[in-house]
Amino acid sequence: DVKVTQSSRYLVKRTGEKVFLECVQDMDHENMFWYRQDPGLGLRLIYFSYDVKMKEKGDIPEGYSVSREKKERFSLILESASTNQTSMYLCASSLANRYTFGSGTRLTVV
Amino acid sequence: EDQVTQSPEALRLQEGESSSLNCSYTVSGLRGLFWYRQDPGKGPEFLFTLYSAGEEKEKERLKATLTKKESFLHITAPKPEDSATYLCAVQADGGFKTIFGAGTRLFVKA
Repeated sequence: DVKVTQSSRYLVKRTGEKVFLECVQDMDHENMFWYRQDPGLGLRLIYFSYDVKMKEKGDIPEGYSVSREKKERFSLILESASTNQTSMYLCASSLANRYTFGSGTRLTVV
Repeated sequence: EDQVTQSPEALRLQEGESSSLNCSYTVSGLRGLFWYRQDPGKGPEFLFTLYSAGEEKEKERLKATLTKKESFLHITAPKPEDSATYLCAVQADGGFKTIFGAGTRLFVKA
């Protein structure tokens, strides 16, 4: 079974901290994505990557960056966490447009 | 602008009471329409892909249909374990991004 693993289920960070969210997939998929999910807004794309060391901005990249040094790992970085980045963060990988999601990281910034 | 709108936001059913969820979409050219199920505290799980108007897919008590402007997820004789949020998403021709709707929260009472 295809698996996408996010390193933390819950995180609490302070305003201004640098935050790393890690995602690993075991399917050898080329495409990986980071979304945030907020009530009433659905899933919004932050960044995606279609190859190692390649990255593209999604719809809401401000305040975020990403790193993809290896095919299986895609990291989301909050450069200086703010309270409006409190959200559920979902990582996904895809093959033929069918997404496999991780279980999500619920991040609270205080 | 490509857009996905789901209705209703929430739906409460009695066990055995069949109903439908709606997904309206606006996209320049449809590459695929996707349905996902999301349980609380988990990432979305893939259900169906539909590619062209008139196409139908079935899985247990769920049946997805597609027209040129909308998709329906029909739930026949639902059970409490069908309670979840159902997400609709589209991908446009020539595009790389998948656009998600905000979801319909389904509650099925025994």
